[in-house]
Amino acid sequence: EAGVTQFPSHSVIEKGQTVTLRCDPISGHDNLYWYRRVMGKEIKFLLHFVKESKQDESGMPNNRFLAERTGGTYSTLKVQPAELEDSGVYFCASSQGYQPQHFGDGTRLSIL
Amino acid sequence: AQSVTQLDSHVSVSEGTPVLLRCNYSSSYSPSLFWYVQHPNKGLQLLLKHTSAATLVKGINGFEAEFKKSETSFHLTKPSAHMSDAAEYFCVVRDTNFGNEKLTFGTGTRLTIIP
Repeated sequence: EAGVTQFPSHSVIEKGQTVTLRCDPISGHDNLYWYRRVMGKEIKFLLHFVKESKQDESGMPNNRFLAERTGGTYSTLKVQPAELEDSGVYFCASSQGYQPQHFGDGTRLSIL
Repeated sequence: AQSVTQLDSHVSVSEGTPVLLRCNYSSSYSPSLFWYVQHPNKGLQLLLKHTSAATLVKGINGFEAEFKKSETSFHLTKPSAHMSDAAEYFCVVRDTNFGNEKLTFGTGTRLTIIP
């Protein structure tokens, strides 16, 4: 069984540019989550999809962040425009029902 | 509201000696508790989970955790450290309030193994 896949593994962009992160969950998992770890801080929840619907987006930092989940399959997280404080590692996780979440390897985002 | 406190940001032990990583939690509901591990440049891997009344939970790679409700603790242990255990460990809590499934992470404990 393929795990959670995130792309790209690393992205370096300049302040003001746009970046889109992608997450492919484990096949059949209805729940998809995004988390973020900025340097020196703890991993924090961003949002939760159930299929294609946003169940909880209470952790999204501001309206520069837009998450979508097309057809309840893969998800994208777009940052537009990127700011310096957006640098960090973005993790995606998926689960089925109330089972533990499985995480991808993360995308390391560096804003210059 | 839920929160997790990992009492040590760094722990160093010699190979072959016991490991103890400490975690205290706070939760408004009866929580589910997890330990995840992250090896360098890798994703988060589930070590073990506590979701029932059992007090001692066994995980992968010889790790165990003891759930103590009276102390709101969920410490991670291993009898004998191996070089491959060097990684960052996260204590995680999830409220069992249905519909609120987001995870709350501790700040992590970096475990170093001394040869």
